[in-house]
Amino acid sequence: LAKTTQPISMDSYEGQEVNITCSHNNIATNDYITWYQQFPSQGPRFIIQGYKTKVTNEVASLFIPADRKSSTLSLPRVSLSDTAVYYCLVAPWGTGRRALTFGSGTRLQVQP
Amino acid sequence: NAGVTQTPKFQVLKTGQSMTLQCAQDMNHEYMSWYRQDPGMGLRLIHYSVGAGITDQGEVPNGYNVSRSTTEDFPLRLLSAAPSQTSVYFCASSTGTSGSEQYFGPGTRLTVT
Repeated sequence: LAKTTQPISMDSYEGQEVNITCSHNNIATNDYITWYQQFPSQGPRFIIQGYKTKVTNEVASLFIPADRKSSTLSLPRVSLSDTAVYYCLVAPWGTGRRALTFGSGTRLQVQP
Repeated sequence: NAGVTQTPKFQVLKTGQSMTLQCAQDMNHEYMSWYRQDPGMGLRLIHYSVGAGITDQGEVPNGYNVSRSTTEDFPLRLLSAAPSQTSVYFCASSTGTSGSEQYFGPGTRLTVT
């Protein structure tokens, strides 16, 4: 499985755009990039998933450059409720149905 | 739909006791998994199942048993609790068409003294 590296923590203020970058230098051709969000005392929640270029949904955008060695999760206009831990995962399509490998994630703290 | 439900929410055990953590999902998902999360850490996979009657080990299976007699239920049994099993346990499920999208339950916080 491709190893991922992301910042341990980030701080932001309400209303700002937050970009969290994840490095995955040894990503394989059949790997997909997935991001999860976890609030304290809750299970992780799927945010977004992509293979290349850009993916956008109602919650976030995911930017993946052509070489796919990194990815950036973009959260537009964060609020206090976006304070959480964000995990970047890389796995072949299908593997993630049964077994996800979580790292330590990025702890995002949003200040008023 | 209730999604993924777990019981109990909290549990305290003495060393050597056994117990079963319950997990159920009402989404007709084929795949179910159990993870544990220690303080400040990411989740680690304990066991998973790709369908009724089929289970397999994950990264940290020792001390735990699972069974999958129905699509809906995937209980996790602690055979003889140890303090090292103090953790938060999450159950998750996903569909056969999913990439890496899993639905997680609210967790069970287990303390072993």
